[in-house]
Amino acid sequence: AQSVTQPDIHITVSEGASLELRCNYSYGATPYLFWYVQSPGQGLQLLLKYFSGDTLVQGIKGFEAEFKRSQSSFNLRKPSVHWSDAAEYFCAVVARYSSASKIIFGSGTRLSIRP
Amino acid sequence: ETGVTQSPTHLIKTRGQQVTLRCSSQSGHNTVSWYQQALGQGPQFIFQYYREEENGRGNFPPRFSGLQFPNYSSELNVNALELDDSALYLCASKIGGQDTQYFGPGTRLTVL
Repeated sequence: AQSVTQPDIHITVSEGASLELRCNYSYGATPYLFWYVQSPGQGLQLLLKYFSGDTLVQGIKGFEAEFKRSQSSFNLRKPSVHWSDAAEYFCAVVARYSSASKIIFGSGTRLSIRP
Repeated sequence: ETGVTQSPTHLIKTRGQQVTLRCSSQSGHNTVSWYQQALGQGPQFIFQYYREEENGRGNFPPRFSGLQFPNYSSELNVNALELDDSALYLCASKIGGQDTQYFGPGTRLTVL
């Protein structure tokens, strides 16, 4: 069965420091992968997506992610975090079945920024 | 801004009642999905509608039902509310055949 694992429940980094959020997926075919961000009480905003091609994808707000098939990973990175990056981050994979498709989300990683 | 709106923003109901949540998709998006996000968890897929018909469903009981209308709006109906139905309900729309879904801000439902 398809699944997404985010091993870190909560991460705290200092403002200006680099960031890496981990994501591992389980999917039989070529996965379509996403990273979403959710601010408190808000909906989900798409940061970036990987469908095919270059395994390093660029997103909004200075984020990037690298798809590594051999490790079944799609880690999110940012070279220098800002206080406004504090939020919940979700990694997700598209699962297709019959005529529908659904997004399977990880349980999320909460990012806190230390001043 | 994703162009997807939801109403109401917050809602409080009591156990056993029925609730209807509404979503307005982006123009041209003929597919809408609904997700339930319990506190501290990732969103869980409830069901998907394509051209006004349900074409996919997650592990949710039949008391969760939906409608999609030709004007790109949709509804999520939940009957016989239970305490565990308290959650943020998100709708997401897309163009059929594509995989990128655009989420609304959600409706926070509290069941007392």
